[in-house]
Amino acid sequence: AQSVTQLDSQVPVFEEAPVELRCNYSSSVSVYLFWYVQYPNQGLQLLLKYLSGSTLVKGINGFEAEFNKSQTSFHLRKPSVHISDTAEYFCAVNNFNKFYFGSGTKLNVKP
Amino acid sequence: DTGVSQNPRHKITKRGQNVTFRCDPISEHNRLYWYRQTLGQGPEFLTYFQNEAQLEKSRLLSDRFSAERPKGSFSTLEIQRTEQGDSAMYLCASSLTGETHEQYFGPGTRLTVT
Repeated sequence: AQSVTQLDSQVPVFEEAPVELRCNYSSSVSVYLFWYVQYPNQGLQLLLKYLSGSTLVKGINGFEAEFNKSQTSFHLRKPSVHISDTAEYFCAVNNFNKFYFGSGTKLNVKP
Repeated sequence: DTGVSQNPRHKITKRGQNVTFRCDPISEHNRLYWYRQTLGQGPEFLTYFQNEAQLEKSRLLSDRFSAERPKGSFSTLEIQRTEQGDSAMYLCASSLTGETHEQYFGPGTRLTVT
């Protein structure tokens, strides 16, 4: 079975500062990797995905993530965050049509 | 709006009652998924359909849970004899078979069992 670990349950950061949200996964086979964002009382919205090719993936709202196969990581980054980025972020692995999600990281951007 | 829709958005029920949720996927999507999300956790896979066929069910899906997709379009998730532990957000997602493997999520139905 797959597992996804998001070590940081909450990340506080000041507006315009850089941020990195960490994600590690366990898998012995190739997987597809995703980051989703969830705003309060809303469903999940796709930020970005890694299927193959370049290990640096760019997504919406200025986010990017880097796939590192040797470290089985897929960390999410943004060079300068905005108040509107305050939300919960989920890393996910898609293996054989099933998504396995991490427990989420709440990003709290402070003015 | 052509996204995934779910009804109702909120449901409060008493323990022991039956509840049914509906999911309408994006119209051309042939795959439909159900997930459960409890407080402080990521969504957990429950089951998925390809067209009208239910292809996989998680062991999380006890005998009290049943899902259908009778015409390969909308789907229903029924919980019989609800328990307080069933309180959660139930999320539906849909996708196309193909290379992208991307799932589109609905807003969810929040169930509270009192």
